[in-house]
Amino acid sequence: RKEVEQDPGPFNVPEGATVAFNCTYSNSASQSFFWYRQDCRKEPKLLMSVYSSGNEDGRFTAQLNRASQYISLLIRDSKLSDSATYLCVVNVRGTDKLIFGTGTRLQVFP
Amino acid sequence: SAVISQKPSRDICQRGTSLTIQCQVDSQVTMMFWYRQQPGQSLTLIATANQGSEATYESGFVIDKFPISRPNLTFSTLTVSNMSPEDSSIYLCSVVHRGRGEKLFFGSGTQLSVL
Repeated sequence: RKEVEQDPGPFNVPEGATVAFNCTYSNSASQSFFWYRQDCRKEPKLLMSVYSSGNEDGRFTAQLNRASQYISLLIRDSKLSDSATYLCVVNVRGTDKLIFGTGTRLQVFP
Repeated sequence: SAVISQKPSRDICQRGTSLTIQCQVDSQVTMMFWYRQQPGQSLTLIATANQGSEATYESGFVIDKFPISRPNLTFSTLTVSNMSPEDSSIYLCSVVHRGRGEKLFFGSGTQLSVL
């Protein structure tokens, strides 16, 4: 079983749609969680951290469920510019290493 | 975000040769990491570059194949040695910048193609 699992997609959605991505992690010692965005042929860039209480940044909402070892990202009012691969990333307690999921590809069409 | 300069941005190399990738950070950082992203795959950690000591390699990666230098707190190099087509990948350096919320920042990557 992979340490971090994501649905690879692609998710093809029209502009203005709401889309949700899920991610599960296997190591219960995981302590920090992030969503990164990666555009084609570019480096990953931090989108947002994920906190236990849930957090929101504009159109983006991240949720964490420690009991189920599950993370989600919700994007509201999708824009064409949201088209990218979204990487779920987990840090295990006591290390500085980040474990990356394989990413979920989103394509927003007009 | 931290400014990370990585070069070369891309290269095409012949089988059996070696390529050294450089990573320069705009501030001192304790931890620097080297990742590989093979086509259609996610990122895999190669090693952690420690200043003043040998790099720490992940399972499946060895120093002879991927020697790393870390001469100071702002610079590191990764060499891909005796390359084969299977080494064709994107190589990324990254840093954890504790002064900026302990987030991981990436260089722009090196696209390597081995013929």
